[in-house]
Amino acid sequence: QLVLTQSPSASASLGASVKLTCTLSSGHSGYAIAWHQQLPEKGPRYLMKLSSDGRYTKGDGIPDRFSGSSSGAERYLVISSLQSEDEADYYCQTWGTGYQLFGGGTKLTVL
Amino acid sequence: QVQLVESGGGVVQPGTSLRLSCAASGFTFSSYGVHWVRQAPGKGLEWVALMSDDGSNKYYADSVKGRFTISRDNSKNTLYLQMNSLRAEDTAVYYCARAITAVAPIEYWGQGTLVTVSS
Repeated sequence: QLVLTQSPSASASLGASVKLTCTLSSGHSGYAIAWHQQLPEKGPRYLMKLSSDGRYTKGDGIPDRFSGSSSGAERYLVISSLQSEDEADYYCQTWGTGYQLFGGGTKLTVL
Repeated sequence: QVQLVESGGGVVQPGTSLRLSCAASGFTFSSYGVHWVRQAPGKGLEWVALMSDDGSNKYYADSVKGRFTISRDNSKNTLYLQMNSLRAEDTAVYYCARAITAVAPIEYWGQGTLVTVSS
């Protein structure tokens, strides 16, 4: 069964970098994912599509501070030079014929 | 620019029906797959339904199959979600979203409309 697992919370200091992780369940390490950001009280925003080989394609207007990488079944979202406006929930997503699946989300706190 | 604007949310009683709409602009609506995704209060995102660009394929989450119907009117650039036999657990913000194809990630989201099912 395909499952995306995310840590419920993460924190990092203003100006630092943070790496958020999305783990694909066993047998699904070849899947691409997407990362989405949801600011408080707002609708989600697409950040990027991330392939199993680590290549990523960002959405319109996404700053260079946001990047992605992959290792095995893990997909990462890296945010560098953290800003206060990066404090948000971050969701990974994958898809197939007839379904879309989201991870449980990670709440990022900027200290 | 791409815009997706949901409407039709409100407070309804259990067992009743509601129809949501999503008005699309800024792109050729008939060329894209479109989704409904919901978010219960304080919870994560849950995919609800998907319709392909030409309307030939529809898919639903198990939690809504048989109760909800997704449809689209490409002449009006509008997506719909007909929700029947509503339950308290359907209470959520409902988002309209666009993907390039039916088998691709969501790339644009609306701002959502709140549906509250309560007696």
